[in-house]
Amino acid sequence: DARVTQTPRHKVTEMGQEVTMRCQPILGHNTVFWYRQTMMQGLELLAYFRNRAPLDDSGMPKDRFSAEMPDATLATLKIQPSEPRDSAVYFCASGFFGGSGNTIYFGEGSWLTVV
Amino acid sequence: GEDVEQSLFLSVREGDSSVINCTYTDSSSTYLYWYKQEPGAGLQLLTYIFSNMDMKQDQRLTVLLNKKDKHLSLRIADTQTGDSAIYFCAETYNDMRFGAGTRLTVKP
Repeated sequence: DARVTQTPRHKVTEMGQEVTMRCQPILGHNTVFWYRQTMMQGLELLAYFRNRAPLDDSGMPKDRFSAEMPDATLATLKIQPSEPRDSAVYFCASGFFGGSGNTIYFGEGSWLTVV
Repeated sequence: GEDVEQSLFLSVREGDSSVINCTYTDSSSTYLYWYKQEPGAGLQLLTYIFSNMDMKQDQRLTVLLNKKDKHLSLRIADTQTGDSAIYFCAETYNDMRFGAGTRLTVKP
């Protein structure tokens, strides 16, 4: 049963610490998204990649956030240094764009709390 | 990306129909989607409609698309307590943009 896998599922960290979230997209998908969900802002698109190339990271605070896709099986989202306002659920999603449907599938999320 | 808007809350009684509405602004959207999110979980795809269709039915779900008005709706027939969740409308062209989500509460 193919699924998007995210780690860690839950993370509590102190302000100023580095946080790295990882995502394994579904094999064969060419597009990977990072979203952040908070009560106040809803679901925000942070960045996305197509064929491992970053296409848009305009939704991401550039000074502390970085997103990479070192290979087709791994996408990372890093926050350095983390701040309490970064507390949120971070979702990775993957899909195949260019065929029919453009459907994306979500991981279960990484629940981040920065204290 | 363009904006996707939804009302935030909907409350219905069990057995009634629910209608969740969404408006979008990007006329180049090729597909429009409905996702469901239950507490503590990720978003699950419910159904989608291609932009050249105006209706799609899938069991208890009916999706209506008015492309002229850029209006999308999801009707859930015979709503059950298990349908209580947040429902997200999304549009796609190169990326995928979501509305804020509509929290559906089903009362027994």
